[in-house]
Amino acid sequence: QKEVEQDPGPLSVPEGAIVSLNCTYSNSAFQYFMWYRQYSRKGPELLMYTYSSGNKEDGRFTAQVDKSSKYISLFIRDSQPSDSATYLCAMKSQGAQKLVFGQGTRLTINP
Amino acid sequence: DVKVTQSSRYLVKRTGEKVFLECVQDMDHENMFWYRQDPGLGLRLIYFSYDVKMKEKGDIPEGYSVSREKKERFSLILESASTNQTSMYLCASKFSSGANVLTFGAGSRLTVL
Repeated sequence: QKEVEQDPGPLSVPEGAIVSLNCTYSNSAFQYFMWYRQYSRKGPELLMYTYSSGNKEDGRFTAQVDKSSKYISLFIRDSQPSDSATYLCAMKSQGAQKLVFGQGTRLTINP
Repeated sequence: DVKVTQSSRYLVKRTGEKVFLECVQDMDHENMFWYRQDPGLGLRLIYFSYDVKMKEKGDIPEGYSVSREKKERFSLILESASTNQTSMYLCASKFSSGANVLTFGAGSRLTVL
């Protein structure tokens, strides 16, 4: 079993829809949670960063962490075609130097 | 505004050739990483370095080596390229403490024929 599970999709939704992307994990020591966005033929770039449990909002993006369920989510409101990309979740435990990544979910927003 | 630079975006090599992938960062990061990214497999860590001349194996180090002679530069070496090393290679760096956020390069797409 992988430490981090993420549905690879692909996921295709109409413009303006609310998108929910999710990851589950098995290591209860994970405390730092990140979402990266990767456009085609580019490297991943950090989108959201959360420490421990709770919600974090940045514009149209909301990251949620539920440590009791070992489940993290990224919500995109009023989705735009420019949001079309692969979204990768990543996490790490305190003191660790390595991030553990999910497989990535390929998302397409249709105009 | 480029912070992590991978010198080659696209390379085509033949089986058995020695391949060097170079990565330079200008953020004074202590830690540097090499990943490969394949469809359906996500990002897999090959090697990382937490300081100059220091290196540690990641999850898939076989067939690869690395070199870190200067803080800003981290090289990935394929001693004898094979077709199963055809992949996207991503370099990343971060500070050793603090937010632990990785900054990635744009990637190097390697094809081994």
